[in-house]
Parts: sequence; structure tokens; C-alpha cells
Amino acid sequence: AQSVSQHNHHVILSEAASLELGCNYSYGGTVNLFWYVQYPGQHLQLLLKYFSGDPLVKGIKGFEAEFIKSKFSFNLRKPSVQWSDTAEYFCAVNAGTGFQKLVFGTGTRLLVSP
Amino acid sequence: EAGVTQSPTHLIKTRGQQATLRCSPISGHTSVYWYQQALGLGLQFLLWYDEGEERNRGNFPPRFSGRQFPNYSSELNVNALELEDSALYLCASSWRPGTGYNNSPLHFGNGTRLTVT
Repeated sequence: AQSVSQHNHHVILSEAASLELGCNYSYGGTVNLFWYVQYPGQHLQLLLKYFSGDPLVKGIKGFEAEFIKSKFSFNLRKPSVQWSDTAEYFCAVNAGTGFQKLVFGTGTRLLVSP
Repeated sequence: EAGVTQSPTHLIKTRGQQATLRCSPISGHTSVYWYQQALGLGLQFLLWYDEGEERNRGNFPPRFSGRQFPNYSSELNVNALELEDSALYLCASSWRPGTGYNNSPLHFGNGTRLTVT
């Protein structure tokens, strides 16, 4: 069965600091990878996705993620965080064949202090 | 475009009772997914419905069940509630896989917060 692990449960950064959130998955076949974000009091929103092609994926709000197949990783990065990036971030993988059973990591709570 | 809507936003039940949660997908989406977000456990896949049928379920007991209506809206029923069922239940919708939109991302609702006392 597929699984996703997010290394950091809580991350605290100051504004303008660089961010990298780790995500590793276990599945040997073709994968689709996602990062979702949940801002306080809001619903889960798609941040970015990887289906195929360029392993460096750019998403909304200046976020990007790099798919490294050899490392089974899909780390999320942002060069300079803002207070408004305070949220919970979830990595997810879709390794099914034609259905959408996403497997989520347990999430990383990011707190950005002004 | 209206998003995925869920009702109620909050639900308080006592142990042993039944809870019914409702979800309306984005217009045009035929697949509905249910996830449980319990404290400290992240999102756990519960059920997937498409075209009125249950297509897949996660590792949850049979007292978690649901259905999908002809208009693609869905209900999640939890029978014989237990304290550990307290969680945020999220509904998501997407295009039906295999229609040319395979692997389209899920769009989530705001969830129903279920509290079992």
C-alpha cells in the first residue's frame, strides 16, 4: 500500500526565511503528487501538482516542489515566506489506476512570525 | 463556480447515536470522496462514490456508510457513534476518472465537525 510521510509536524519561521517541507512516499509505480494547503478556518486548497514532465513544479503564491524519483521525494519550497503562509500543508500521492484515492501525509503546521 | 458544499458545519451527537453528513459536489463533477481528519492523524480516506455507486472504501468499519444520489450529491452515515469518531469530515469532488480528466485534483469542501460526547 502507498504511504506518505512528512518529516516535520511543526515548523516555525520568521518572515522572509526560506521554507522547505519534506515529503516522501512509498510506491514503485507511476505516481501523481500533490501539495494541499489549509489556511486557518478555510478548506483544503490545491497548491501544486505533478503529473509528468518537468520535475520542478511551480504552484500558486510562489511555492514550488521538486519531484526526485530516485529519492521518492516531493519537497515543497518557497524562497521567502510571508505571515500569510501560516497554514497546514499536506502532501498527497495518487498511485491508483484511474481513481482518485489520494493518500495524504499527516501534515505540517507552519507558523510564520512577523 | 460554486465550490463543494457540506452541511451541517457542526454536529454534536452522543455515543451510540447516528450521524448523517451531506455533501454537494461542484457542478459537473460526478465523483465524491469522503475523508476523515482526526486530530493528529491527518486525512484518512473513507469512501469514494461515482455514478451512484461505491467504488472504493478505506480501512473503516461497516458502520461508516453512505450513498450518492442521482444529482451526484452524497450522504455519509455513521452508525453507533463512538467517541473516537469525533473529527472533521471532509468531502471532495472531481471529474470522473477515465473521461479525459483522469487524475484531476480533488476539490474539498469546508467540512463537517462531528463531536461525539
